[in-house]
Amino acid sequence: AQSVTQLGSHVSVSEGALVLLRCNYSSSVPPYLFWYVQYPNQGLQLLLKYTSAATLVKGINGFEAEFKKSETSFHLTKPSAHMSDAAEYFCAVNTNRDDKIIFGKGTRLHILP
Amino acid sequence: GAGVSQTPSNKVTEKGKYVELRCDPISGHTALYWYRQSLGQGPEFLIYFQGTGAADDSGLPNDRFFAVRPEGSVSTLKIQRTERGDSAVYLCASSEWARTEAFFGQGTRLTVV
Repeated sequence: AQSVTQLGSHVSVSEGALVLLRCNYSSSVPPYLFWYVQYPNQGLQLLLKYTSAATLVKGINGFEAEFKKSETSFHLTKPSAHMSDAAEYFCAVNTNRDDKIIFGKGTRLHILP
Repeated sequence: GAGVSQTPSNKVTEKGKYVELRCDPISGHTALYWYRQSLGQGPEFLIYFQGTGAADDSGLPNDRFFAVRPEGSVSTLKIQRTERGDSAVYLCASSEWARTEAFFGQGTRLTVV
């Protein structure tokens, strides 16, 4: 069965510093992978997705993620954090054998001034 | 409509009562998902519809939970004999077809007292 593990339920970075949110997946078939963001009191919004094309995926708001099959990882990065990036981030996986999208438990990103 | 619409946005009900939560997906989207999100957790998969049929209902926690999508558009999640543990935010999402980007509604916050 497919699953997603997000390392670190809370991550704090200084404004202007690199953001790195970790996601590892488990899937017996090639996965589709997603990162969603949830701002306070708002719905989930797609940041970016990997669907077996380029392994480096660029998303909105300067975020990007790299699919590494050998490491079963899909970590999310942003070179320079902004205060507006403070939110909850969810990694999710979906395969062509199982149509449902499975989410990780989420990582809350805190930006320090 | 422009996005996925969920009604009501908030619902408070007494233990043991029956509730219905409605989801109006983006027009033309054939896939529809229901998730439940408890505080501090990621969205937990409940059920997935492809058209009118439930393609995967493996996430429904017990037989008190039921969902329908009779015309392949609007869906209703029904919870019988509600329990305090059912309190959560219920999220609905839709996508053009399976394994494409899912668009989420704002959710219905259900509180069972």
